Amino acid sequence: GQQLNQSPQSMFIQEGEDVSMNCTSSSIFNTWLWYKQDPGEGPVLLIALYKAGELTSNGRLTAQFGITRKDSFLNISASIPSDVGIYFCAGQPTSGGGADGLTFGKGTHLIIQP
Amino acid sequence: KAGVTQTPRYLIKTRGQQVTLSCSPISGHRSVSWYQQTPGQGLQFLFEYFSETQRNKGNFPGRFSGRQFSNSRSEMNVSTLELGDSALYLCASSLSGRGETQYFGPGTRLLVL
Repeated sequence: GQQLNQSPQSMFIQEGEDVSMNCTSSSIFNTWLWYKQDPGEGPVLLIALYKAGELTSNGRLTAQFGITRKDSFLNISASIPSDVGIYFCAGQPTSGGGADGLTFGKGTHLIIQP
Repeated sequence: KAGVTQTPRYLIKTRGQQVTLSCSPISGHRSVSWYQQTPGQGLQFLFEYFSETQRNKGNFPGRFSGRQFSNSRSEMNVSTLELGDSALYLCASSLSGRGETQYFGPGTRLLVL
């Protein structure tokens, strides 16, 4: 089945630093999504990407849909304490005919050191 | 607009029992998908329902089943529980599921003893 390789698994950074994480896939996706999950909660959508090459920002977050459709990255600028959490990439293989289940990466655990 | 709601939030069962979890999608959303999240396997797709019909299914045994009602609310059932079924069960809704963004509920944490 499809697999997503998300890296890094964890990041220890200082407040104010920029963060970068990425996902690569063995197959093509038509949609890339980035979610953040806090402990005990469900994933919350951060950014959705629908076109190859698309670059989208949401405040301090920027994500890109790779040209090959097999990768995506998420950048967080000037990190703040509330950015702590687990970030997941997710790919959706088709754009029609039903909600094919999302394939998730294993997550990047972001820890911000004071 | 209210988000996706799931009940109960926490549940403890013993091996061999069965369990039913409930999900109410965002108003107007007709597609509901279910996912299992465990530390070892991460987030895995269980199945998706639209208009009371299962449209897509992941690689889980038949002990995992679901249904959807005419008001788009969905239930998930797990029979003959095993220790490995302990997980966070998440549901996500979207308007029609056709490549649209899925919005997640807070999940139901199931512990099987």
